[in-house]
Formats: sequence, structure tokens, C-alpha cells
Amino acid sequence: SYVLTQPPSLSVAPGQTARITCGGNDIGSKNVHWYQQTPGQAPVLVVFNNEDRPSGVPHKFSGSNSGSTATLTISRVEAGDEADYYCQVWDVNTDHRIFGGGTKLTVL
Amino acid sequence: EVQLVESGGGLVKSGGSLRLSCAASGFIFNSHTLNWVRQAPGRGLQWVSSISSGSHYIYYEDSLKGRFTVSRDNARKSVFLQMNSLTAADTAVYFCAVGIWAGESVFDFWGRGTLVTVSS
Repeated sequence: SYVLTQPPSLSVAPGQTARITCGGNDIGSKNVHWYQQTPGQAPVLVVFNNEDRPSGVPHKFSGSNSGSTATLTISRVEAGDEADYYCQVWDVNTDHRIFGGGTKLTVL
Repeated sequence: EVQLVESGGGLVKSGGSLRLSCAASGFIFNSHTLNWVRQAPGRGLQWVSSISSGSHYIYYEDSLKGRFTVSRDNARKSVFLQMNSLTAADTAVYFCAVGIWAGESVFDFWGRGTLVTVSS
């Protein structure tokens, strides 16, 4: 089955840029979606179809996808961005929805 | 306003069964695929199952096939997850999720989840 690989953790200083990666075989040919989850809360969609933002999501969240890596970029990181972030794709071969293992973003 | 409200979670003994429900409102229920996603304590998200608008297409995570059964009642705007032969590994928060604006394969609305605890 299709596997998505994320780094378990990432630490960034306030005001800097966080780049969270999501690796997968030929992931560039798929649409990748990103979710933010804070403790005790349901996930929230922050980027869909590689680079689109749902209504209400700040422009500081952006995405890209090429080759074997998709990236969620968070600009001007602040304390409120501290959360777990998950990538997700739809595997068209099985019709299964696949999540990456998640990345815990820590703001120093 | 889109709302998804899960219920039916609780404490169950290993080998037991549980039926989760998700009541939806605020969107055209019978036009969208509904999904279940779970999260074990301290772990990541795991897709569980999806059921298409007319129940014609149903999918399960491979390891759950045979024990879990998803269904829906469009008249009652609800989706269900029947879970049998439960083990401690099934202990998790179970979320109901739907893709409305962003597409069928995306989860742009989520419920708050219902906790299932399986005691050994």
C-alpha cells in the first residue's frame, strides 16, 4: 500500500519559516492535502490539492508538490502555529485515503 | 453551518462490539461521501472507512476489513460504524469527516470525535 513519510518533529524560532515535508513514491502526481491538529481538537484542513487554501486559512500557509516530496510551508511562525501537521492523499489504485505519520511543530 | 456529531463511544471489553453514529447537518447529506478516521492515544491519524453518497462504494483500511462495517441512512442524515471483535488496538478517538468544498477525497469538515476504549 502507498506510504507517506513525514519527519516526526520540527523546531523553528518565532518569525522564521517552517517547511514540513511529506515523502511518497511519485507523490508529485497526486493531490496532497494538509491538516493542522492541536491537542484535544479535531484536525483542520489548511491546504488542499497541493497549494489551495480553504476559506479562512491565513496566507502564511502554503503548499507545493513535485517529484517525490510535498511541502507545507508556514511563514512567520508564531506560538499559535505549534501543532501536529499531517499530509494526506487519495490512492486512486485502492480508493483508500492515506495519512502521513504526522510532524510535531515546536516553536522555540 | 456544517456540523458532524459523533456518538456511541465508550468502554467495551476485548472481543466486544460497538456501534458508532455520526449525525450531520448544514449540507446536502445525500450528495457526499462520508468517512471515519481514528486516532489512537498519542498516535497519528488513521483512515478507517469511506461510504459513497448512495452507499454503492464502500472502502475500508485493509487491516479492519471483516470486523468493521460502515453504513448510512440518508433520510436520517447519519452514518454508522459497526465495530466487532474489538481489541485494545482499536482504542482511539473516532472522527466522522466529510469533503464538501475541497473535493471527495479531502476532509474539510470534521466532528469532535467519540472515544472508544477497549479494555483487555
